[in-house]
Amino acid sequence: QSALTQPASLSGSPGQSITISCTVANSDIDDFNFVSWYQQHPDKAPKLIIFDVYNRPSGISNRFSGSKSGNTASLAISGLQTEDEADYYCSSYSSNTPQVVFGGGTKLTVL
Amino acid sequence: QVQLQQWGAGLLKPSETLSLTCVVYGGSFSDYSWSWIRQPPGKGLEWIGEINHRGSTSYTPSLKSRVAISLDTAMKRFSLRLTSVAAADTATYYCAGGRSHWFDPWGQGALVTVSS
Repeated sequence: QSALTQPASLSGSPGQSITISCTVANSDIDDFNFVSWYQQHPDKAPKLIIFDVYNRPSGISNRFSGSKSGNTASLAISGLQTEDEADYYCSSYSSNTPQVVFGGGTKLTVL
Repeated sequence: QVQLQQWGAGLLKPSETLSLTCVVYGGSFSDYSWSWIRQPPGKGLEWIGEINHRGSTSYTPSLKSRVAISLDTAMKRFSLRLTSVAAADTATYYCAGGRSHWFDPWGQGALVTVSS
């Protein structure tokens, strides 16, 4: 059981917007300011799309945005495209242990 | 632009030691901490541990007794050793460069299968 909870799956149509949530499940995560998000296509390495809650690395589309409210971080994807179909993982650092924790992943289907 | 290339044995028997190495091309080796992350087939990501440019390590508690990450600064590479492997250690293992606990870039991944 991950310390970060994500919905197992989501779907949307091209052009729509969706939001993937990432919620702290237990006290293992004491500082939720180091949230990052990764996109993973089948048989590919994960790709960083958001770091430190809100920031996009160079080259990442501004259709991807990150936010946080309380113990829930969110990844929003606007103007869905077929190439957005992938698995998405959130991650956070816990200074308690210390360790990095990943959410269980969300499979996004673009219908 | 920093790129990572990894290699290591792909098929192990139970109780053997897993050994993987990742070479860093480009960029400044000391600007990053270096991590190993694994992904069992069809499952999610699991952070294994990291080493910084000074050689200080941090490991996930569940693997701490079996894992060691080491650094060769001169050769710009870092390595993972995981002892006493079992079927549950079957996974794709990724090396990754980290800053402030986010990971970019990633290696291409290496599938390690543990089977008798």
